[in-house]
Order: sequence, then structure tokens, then C-alpha cells
Amino acid sequence: EPEVTQTPSHQVTQMGQEVILRCVPISNHLYFYWYRQILGQKVEFLVSFYNNEISEKSEIFDDQFSVERPDGSNFTLKIRSTKLEDSAMYFCASSEGVRTKYFGPGTRLLVL
Amino acid sequence: GIQVEQSPPDLILQEGANSTLRCNFSDSVNNLQWFHQNPWGQLINLFYIPSGTKQNGRLSATTVATERYSLLYISSSQTTDSGVYFCAVGNTNAGKSTFGDGTTLTVKP
Repeated sequence: EPEVTQTPSHQVTQMGQEVILRCVPISNHLYFYWYRQILGQKVEFLVSFYNNEISEKSEIFDDQFSVERPDGSNFTLKIRSTKLEDSAMYFCASSEGVRTKYFGPGTRLLVL
Repeated sequence: GIQVEQSPPDLILQEGANSTLRCNFSDSVNNLQWFHQNPWGQLINLFYIPSGTKQNGRLSATTVATERYSLLYISSSQTTDSGVYFCAVGNTNAGKSTFGDGTTLTVKP
């Protein structure tokens, strides 16, 4: 069964550094998403992406964040000037339409 | 935005028992999913169910969209059912989903 993959599985970075989280969505899916989950808390929506542009974003998704689909298979989340509070599990998801979302295994980001 | 409430927040069962998890939402929805987050943090899709009833083995779900709630039934629970169960709903064309706080299920042998 096709699945969403994410790399790296874990990332440790120093405060103020930039990180890029990578995702390979399911190949025939058209909608892509990033969510995050701070340890012990619920899953929060960051951004949705369709037709090579952001279709919706949350208040969390400010100028510190950006997304890109650099080629036909990858979908990336860039976090600039990381802060301690950016430490979380970041999930990528994809869907064929606005229906069943399939989530990747996540990237656990730790900012020191 | 849409509000999602899940109950109960915590549930402890003996293996073999049945359970019902509830998800209430504050507005009409065009998508609703139930997920199981396993101990490794993975979000496993259980059901896509904006309305109606579905069954998959020991699990079933019912969504009554007009009354803005969904139920997840787990029968003959097993220790591997332990984890957090999330309901996620959405009502936009962009496909955004809002997650509830989850129900933490512990199944004891």
C-alpha cells in the first residue's frame, strides 16, 4: 500500500538555525499538508497546499515557516530561526481530494 | 473556527471489554476521520466517515452529521488497541482538519 514518507525521522538543531523537513506524498495525491504535535498535546494544522500554492494556513504558520514543492515528488517545510517552542513532531499528510488524509510517520524536531 | 470535543479524555479497560468514544463538533463538516496514534507516535487512519456507519473488523464508527457527533466503537479490546484516538474534522475546500484533544485508551491484560 502506498504511504507518505518523511525524512529525517529525528532532527536536533540549535536555536536560531534553519531546518528543512522533507516529505514524499503518495504519488497520485493532489493535496498536501503539514501538521505539528507538541509533546503531549493535540495535533495542530499548519498549512495546506494545492496546485503549487498555499490554500490555507493557520495562525501558527507565520513568516518563520515556508513550504515548497521543489520537484514532482517532494514537499518541504522550512523553519527559519528556530525557537525552543518549535520543538515538536511534524507530520506531513496527503490526500487525493479533500477526503481521507494519510499521514507520514513524522519528524521529531528538537531545538536546543 | 470549528471546535472539536472528544470524550472521555481517558479510558482504562480490561482486555475483551467494549468501549465507545465520542467526538462532538460545533459546525457542519465535509470531512471527518478517526485516527489511532500508536506508542511510536504514528497516526493510523481508522475511518473516513463524514456521515453514516462503517465497520472494519472489531472497530466501527457512526457519524450523525445533523446532530454533529461521531462515535467510535471498539469491541473485544486488545492490548494493542492502547494509544490515543483522535477525531479530526473539517469544513473548508482546502481540506484543513481540526483535531480534538484525543481519548487515551489503556487496555490491560
